[in-house]
Amino acid sequence: GQNIDQPTEMTATEGAIVQINCTYQTSGFNGLFWYQQHAGEAPTFLSYNVLDGLEEKGRFSSFLSRSKGYSYLLLKELQMKDSASYLCAVMDSNYQLIWGAGTKLIIKP
Amino acid sequence: GAVVSQHPSWVICKSGTSVKIECRSLDFQATTMFWYRQFPKQSLMLMATSNEGSKATYEQGVEKDKFLINHASLTLSTLTVTSAHPEDSSFYICSARLTGTHTEAFFGQGTRLTVV
Repeated sequence: GQNIDQPTEMTATEGAIVQINCTYQTSGFNGLFWYQQHAGEAPTFLSYNVLDGLEEKGRFSSFLSRSKGYSYLLLKELQMKDSASYLCAVMDSNYQLIWGAGTKLIIKP
Repeated sequence: GAVVSQHPSWVICKSGTSVKIECRSLDFQATTMFWYRQFPKQSLMLMATSNEGSKATYEQGVEKDKFLINHASLTLSTLTVTSAHPEDSSFYICSARLTGTHTEAFFGQGTRLTVV
């Protein structure tokens, strides 16, 4: 079956760095997405990786290793507004998105 | 990025009534739209894939007679929750991808449905 694993919850301090991991087993691979979702709101797009390596976009970076079925989202200089759930999603061979359960990130002052 | 508009943002209805939720792609054409349901503290659960001009494809366990989906044009898909019950109370979210590509999904704002 298809499976996306990510930690349920993480806690970090304002100004620090946090890494959210995601491992996946899917039928084919056509890219991996990270979304941010604040409570009560729809997800918003953060990043897309289809090739191995690191993609940097401001304070957020996303890494992919296809051979390991592994990705991480790196958040730097954490701000209180970064408190949210972070969803990892993989697009399978049918171009369908398979969603992880999300990682709730709690930022403390 | 592309904009997907979902309406209404929230709705309260009586048990037994029906509720229609609209999902519009405002600045692009979406051959395919997706409807999700999300319960508190849980991830998105795909309910159905809505294809313009044809019948929707429902995920296993989703009642197609209860959750009616119509995708009449390239910019509009609707989800109607028929004979709603309190257990249908949830956050419903639509998304769309640009036609012909396999890039990011753009989400509507979501609809918070409460059935009383």
